[in-house]
Amino acid sequence: DAEITQSPRHKITETGRQVTLACHQTWNHNNMFWYRQDLGHGLRLIHYSYGVQDTNKGEVSDGYSVSRSNTEDLPLTLESAASSQTSVYFCASSSAGVTAGELFFGEGSRLTVL
Amino acid sequence: AQSVTQLDSHVSVSEGTPVLLRCNYSSSYSPSLFWYVQHPNKGLQLLLKYTSAATLVKGINGFEAEFKKSETSFHLTKPSAHMSDAAEYFCVVSDRYRGSARQLTFGSGTQLTVLP
Repeated sequence: DAEITQSPRHKITETGRQVTLACHQTWNHNNMFWYRQDLGHGLRLIHYSYGVQDTNKGEVSDGYSVSRSNTEDLPLTLESAASSQTSVYFCASSSAGVTAGELFFGEGSRLTVL
Repeated sequence: AQSVTQLDSHVSVSEGTPVLLRCNYSSSYSPSLFWYVQHPNKGLQLLLKYTSAATLVKGINGFEAEFKKSETSFHLTKPSAHMSDAAEYFCVVSDRYRGSARQLTFGSGTQLTVLP
């Protein structure tokens, strides 16, 4: 079965360190997204990609970057982790052309920045 | 601009009783509306969607929602709650003409507790 996997599922790091969260999907979807989930805020979009070599900023992109070198992967990098980036991060994907909002989500990566 | 308000952060029901999770939205254009469910330590899963066809939308696991344009509401209901329905539910709005998920706006979530 097709799926979307995130790793690591749990990560503890220190302020100032670089962190990369991996996202891999086998749906062959063109669209991929990174969200963060914080209590009382629902999900907020960090970055998204509509295909290989395409990346775009979402509403909370400061301090994050992504790259898309193939269809399957969209790694999220925190260049210099800050305590405000402690959160649960979700990767999602969708196929081009479907109604906006039909996303398939990974199970999340819980990041703690000390 | 678009926005979504989930009117209750927590809802508790007894098993076998009806469920009502309330959602109001604001959209400049004809919206698409969605409900997602998130079980503990899991990702979100699409429960149902409204995209301008029938205003009463049926989803998985016996849930349904009714789009009411005059009330700008999209409340989620289920006739009889099951223990497995305990989860967090998110109402999501999208300005459909945009056609891309970057325009999605998530509500802050409603935690549903089902009591035995």
